[in-house]
Amino acid sequence: AQSVTQLGSHVSVSEGALVLLRCNYSSSVPPYLFWYVQYPNQGLQLLLKYTSAATLVKGINGFEAEFKKSETSFHLTKPSAHMSDAAEYFCAVSEQGAQKLVFGQGTRLTINP
Amino acid sequence: DAGVIQSPRHEVTEMGQEVTLRCKPISGHDYLFWYRQTMMRGLELLIYFNNNVPIDDSGMPEDRFSAKMPNASFSTLKIQPSEPRDSAVYFCASSRTSGYTGELFFGEGSRLTVL
Repeated sequence: AQSVTQLGSHVSVSEGALVLLRCNYSSSVPPYLFWYVQYPNQGLQLLLKYTSAATLVKGINGFEAEFKKSETSFHLTKPSAHMSDAAEYFCAVSEQGAQKLVFGQGTRLTINP
Repeated sequence: DAGVIQSPRHEVTEMGQEVTLRCKPISGHDYLFWYRQTMMRGLELLIYFNNNVPIDDSGMPEDRFSAKMPNASFSTLKIQPSEPRDSAVYFCASSRTSGYTGELFFGEGSRLTVL
């Protein structure tokens, strides 16, 4: 069975500071990995995805994530936080070719002015 | 193109009443998913369909919950009778097999409050 663990349910950073949201996965087969973002009162939208091509993946809004198989990690980063980045972020995993996604518990990102 | 459309956006009902949530997936998508989001349990997959056929309903909490997909453009999630612990945001999502990249497209959710 696949699972995702997001370290830290809440992360707070200052505007302009580095954003680091941590995600570790468990999968017995090569995974696809995703980060989704959820703004208040909205559905989830895809930020970026890893599907076995380049291990460093760039997404929308300046975010990127690196797939590290040895560490079973897929941490999300952004060099400089913006107030508009305040949202909840979800890491998710699926088996390659499978449609079903398993989500982590989410990390709420707060940006301090 | 229109995204995944869910209705109602908000529903307040009393315990014991029947609740029906509706979803229209993106045209051409052959997978449809129902997720539930709560503070305590996060995002849980309830059930998903492929070509209108239920594939995995192991996440459906109990017999009070049922889901149908009578055609490729419509699905319902029904709760009967509803209970306060069913209060949550219910999301519908869709995806396609052709050119699959793993991305799910989510609706804006139906917020259910059971009093």
